[in-house]
Amino acid sequence: AQKVTQAQTEISVVEKEDVTLDCVYETRDTTYYLFWYKQPPSGELVFLIRRNSFDEQNEISGRYSWNFQKSTSSFNFTITASQVVDSAVYFCALSEAFYKLSFGAGTTVTVRA
Amino acid sequence: DTGVSQNPRHKITKRGQNVTFRCDPISEHNRLYWYRQTLGQGPEFLTYFQNEAQLEKSRLLSDRFSAERPKGSFSTLEIQRTEQGDSAMYLCASSLAGAADPKNIQYFGAGTRLSVL
Repeated sequence: AQKVTQAQTEISVVEKEDVTLDCVYETRDTTYYLFWYKQPPSGELVFLIRRNSFDEQNEISGRYSWNFQKSTSSFNFTITASQVVDSAVYFCALSEAFYKLSFGAGTTVTVRA
Repeated sequence: DTGVSQNPRHKITKRGQNVTFRCDPISEHNRLYWYRQTLGQGPEFLTYFQNEAQLEKSRLLSDRFSAERPKGSFSTLEIQRTEQGDSAMYLCASSLAGAADPKNIQYFGAGTRLSVL
């Protein structure tokens, strides 16, 4: 069985501070995929990034960056210079096949002006 | 591309009643998924379709739940004899599986929030 743990339930920061969200996963498979989604108050899950288990290269996209470390089974997400619009619930998810996603419990990020 | 559409957005019903939700996926997507999300938790997988075929059902999907995708386009999720424990957000997602989209990313709708009184 696969499992995703997001240890941080809530994070509150002041605008322009950096925020790092932790994600630890468990799987027995050698091939798997990791995702981050954002869920704003409107409710719709917004796709942010997908990584496969063979690609440990870290990625930066604008103010977002991701650190994938297979040795520690972690896939952490950093928002640099946070903005109020970043306030949302962020979910880490794991997929062992091309269909079912297993989500963590989510981390609520609140960015105060 | 209008995104994944779900209707209704909110549904309030009395215990014991039947409810039906509809999901319209992104038009060219061949896969459609249903998830359930309770307060403070991440979404949990319920079932998915490849075109009109339902390929997997979670153990969470009791006999009171049924999903269909009759023509491989929109899908419906019906809950019979609703219980208070069915209160949740029901999310639909779609993806384009295969060579056309190797990443097979699931795109979600805004969900239907069900409240069973």
